[in-house]
Amino acid sequence: SQTIHQWPATLVQPVGSPLSLECTVEGTSNPNLYWYRQAAGRGLQLLFYSVGIGQISSEVPQNLSASRPQDRQFILSSKKLLLSDSGFYLCAWSGPRGRSNSNQPQHFGDGTRLSIL
Amino acid sequence: AQKVTQAQTEISVVEKEDVTLDCVYETRDTTYYLFWYKQPPSGELVFLIRRNSFDEQNEISGRYSWNFQKSTSSFNFTITASQVVDSAVYFCALSEGSGGYQKVTFGTGTKLQVIP
Repeated sequence: SQTIHQWPATLVQPVGSPLSLECTVEGTSNPNLYWYRQAAGRGLQLLFYSVGIGQISSEVPQNLSASRPQDRQFILSSKKLLLSDSGFYLCAWSGPRGRSNSNQPQHFGDGTRLSIL
Repeated sequence: AQKVTQAQTEISVVEKEDVTLDCVYETRDTTYYLFWYKQPPSGELVFLIRRNSFDEQNEISGRYSWNFQKSTSSFNFTITASQVVDSAVYFCALSEGSGGYQKVTFGTGTKLQVIP
């Protein structure tokens, strides 16, 4: 069965420090991968998505970046964190389209609570 | 452009009451998919159901049921005989897209509190 791992679970970082959040998927090949941010009490904002190794698309311009060095690894990074980067970050994967070209549900990791001081 | 509206920000019910969470969507595509996710206090999002635009049959899974009506662009979620464990934020989502990327738009969520 497929599983998704995301770490760390919580992180407290000072303003201006770098960031690296990692997400890995097991049990599937060539997944679509996503990074979302959820501000306190609000909905999900898509940050990045990837349909293959080295292919990253950004939905929202910001000081964050993403990379996909391996098929099932997705990394969210920043060189200098801002206070506004605080939030709950979720990684997700979805399978390729089904035989009937159906869109697949996204499956989420447990999330990382990031606090910027 | 696609849009999902969950007008109910928070709902409180007493245990064993039935509750319906509303979801209204907008899309120009004729082929699309609708989803519901549950986010308990622990934070992870749990996939509950997927429905495609060509299947308007309502679905029931235990105490959960979903009512999909294309005529009103709605995909409402009903919990029967609610329990405290149902307390969570529930998200409705819409997926269009072609090629490899399946763009998903989430609603802002409805926080459900079930009071014992």
